[in-house]
Amino acid sequence: GAGVSQSPSNKVTEKGKDVELRCDPISGHTALYWYRQRLGQGLEFLIYFQGNSAPDKSGLPSDRFSAERTGESVSTLTIQRTQQEDSAVYLCASSNQGAVTTNEKLFFGSGTQLSVL
Amino acid sequence: GQSLEQPSEVTAVEGAIVQINCTYQTSGFYGLSWYQQHDGGAPTFLSYNALDGLEETGRFSSFLSRSDSYGYLLLQELQMKDSASYFCAVRRQAGTALIFGKGTTLSVSS
Repeated sequence: GAGVSQSPSNKVTEKGKDVELRCDPISGHTALYWYRQRLGQGLEFLIYFQGNSAPDKSGLPSDRFSAERTGESVSTLTIQRTQQEDSAVYLCASSNQGAVTTNEKLFFGSGTQLSVL
Repeated sequence: GQSLEQPSEVTAVEGAIVQINCTYQTSGFYGLSWYQQHDGGAPTFLSYNALDGLEETGRFSSFLSRSDSYGYLLLQELQMKDSASYFCAVRRQAGTALIFGKGTTLSVSS
């Protein structure tokens, strides 16, 4: 597609339920990032996929959070047993591995607004 | 670990010049980026500095001093549409994650 696509755009769930958030990066982009942004706050790094390398999972806040990526395409962020503090916008971004400047330019999706009741 | 410091808020008037500073502490340094995010929108890339000096893109410029672990974003001829949050971000080495600061909210008034 033309840009990074995330679905759903909004998700309301009950505390304790599991949720799956999907990200479709720009075609050909080898790098994919997940960030969390609470209301009025900065972007909190969660996980980073780069080509065939092992993902950098150092930002995942707990073992309730996990993410997978199929090759260089779709990624899914899963949050198990959701808690109210998980409520936030979850942003996905991708970038193209190539010249340094293009690799450093991240393209963000519009995010998934997760609300845990 | 990595940490980035930037002011939480900056206010200015239309037509003015504003500078948003960013200091960072990282184990290793690969480059400093700047992103803009309008309320309710997705962050968009503004600039990237890997070497010392000034990079200019239209009304926006970004500066880096690696020896001082410091950079800034300079916005000239401010317009109302520049009201947004601005984030600096660092990568400590190639192939590692891009880490963002907490952001600076810029409010431009007429």
